[in-house]
Amino acid sequence: DQQVKQNSPSLSVQEGRISILNCDYTNSMFDYFLWYKKYPAEGPTFLISISSIKDKNEDGRFTVFLNKSAKHLSLHIVPSQPGDSAVYFCAAYDRATNKLIFGTGTLLAVQP
Amino acid sequence: DSGVTQTPKHLITATGQRVTLRCSPRSGDLSVYWYQQSLDQGLQFLIQYYNGEERAKGNILERFSAQQFPDLHSELNLSSLELGDSALYFCASSVGGGARETQYFGPGTRLLVL
Repeated sequence: DQQVKQNSPSLSVQEGRISILNCDYTNSMFDYFLWYKKYPAEGPTFLISISSIKDKNEDGRFTVFLNKSAKHLSLHIVPSQPGDSAVYFCAAYDRATNKLIFGTGTLLAVQP
Repeated sequence: DSGVTQTPKHLITATGQRVTLRCSPRSGDLSVYWYQQSLDQGLQFLIQYYNGEERAKGNILERFSAQQFPDLHSELNLSSLELGDSALYFCASSVGGGARETQYFGPGTRLLVL
């Protein structure tokens, strides 16, 4: 039972354009959401987060949007750069169990 | 460099064997988390320790066990290994006990069971 879903295994974008990565969740107890980025042969690194009391959080080129009614969040990267090519994991915090639930990841390829 | 170290980087073993994966958290971090990433799977939470005590448990098999030592390093023991245990095992650490805090991940241990 996948509580956090990233339905696009991969995404290819041209350098300079916008990258949009999507994530859906099923559990209404999730109240905090995070995005992690992972390069090959490295561990995931924290990118950006958003609390359920907000609908948008911005950090430089990265913006996360949260639509609670749809149980959907998205990560926007503008403008995309080749160095952004990585696997992006969406994660949700379950306050009932104190656990982070990760999605399966989306491989982003930014073409020069 | 996240400051979290994991050893070994690679491990090849046979079915039925037992292995130990080691993790040293960032200096000052009290929590250690273990995750498993199998092919085409996301990061599956296994277990969390906070200051030496088990804090949260995820989908950890009974054949697997972990502990956190007084110096805060942690070990994940995998026994009676099966082919399906082949995966990347990540350790992460955070300052406090809440899993919503930023977790800093190590580079992982790649386990191959033949």
